[in-house]
Amino acid sequence: AQRVTQPEKLLSVFKGAPVELKCNYSYSGSPELFWYVQYSRQRLQLLLRHISRESIKGFTADLNKGETSFHLKKPFAQEEDSAMYYCAPHNNDMRFGAGTRLTVKP
Amino acid sequence: DGGITQSPKYLFRKEGQNVTLSCEQNLNHDAMYWYRQDPGQGLRLIYYSQIVNDFQKGDIAEGYSVSREKKESFPLTVTSAQKNPTAFYLCASSIAPGGTGNTIYFGEGSWLTVV
Repeated sequence: AQRVTQPEKLLSVFKGAPVELKCNYSYSGSPELFWYVQYSRQRLQLLLRHISRESIKGFTADLNKGETSFHLKKPFAQEEDSAMYYCAPHNNDMRFGAGTRLTVKP
Repeated sequence: DGGITQSPKYLFRKEGQNVTLSCEQNLNHDAMYWYRQDPGQGLRLIYYSQIVNDFQKGDIAEGYSVSREKKESFPLTVTSAQKNPTAFYLCASSIAPGGTGNTIYFGEGSWLTVV
């Protein structure tokens, strides 16, 4: 199965600081990678997908085939970014990463 | 809102009893998934189904069973064999299994507590 690893279970930054949530994948080929977010008391939802190379809520993620990574970045974190973030390869069985809980402190 | 409905939202079960969690979608999606979410452990895949009348085990299928008799329904039964069933359960669906652009849509989840 295609797998991703999110090495940090918890990440805490101050408001206005840059934030990077790590995601590494361990398979060859051209992965289809997505980031999902779960805000408090809300459904898990799509944040962004690598194929579209978009920026959502100030977040970007670049697929780095050399490093086999798909890290999620934002230059200036906001308190409303506090949430659980999951990296996921889109394949037949949809096995998500373990998730990173981001806390942005005032 | 999302088109995926899970019920019940909260369920209490006595030890030794089976319980079935409902998941219905009106999005005409072929693929459906069940996940378990525990604090500090993220999402773990229980079962998934790519098409009607077919399903596969995920990483933690022991103690669970599913059926996919209809496209819109993918119920999960938590059996008495599941040693630690207290958890938050999420159902999801996508147009087709994997692939570019096939966003996963999630239900609101079901809290199961064994008393």
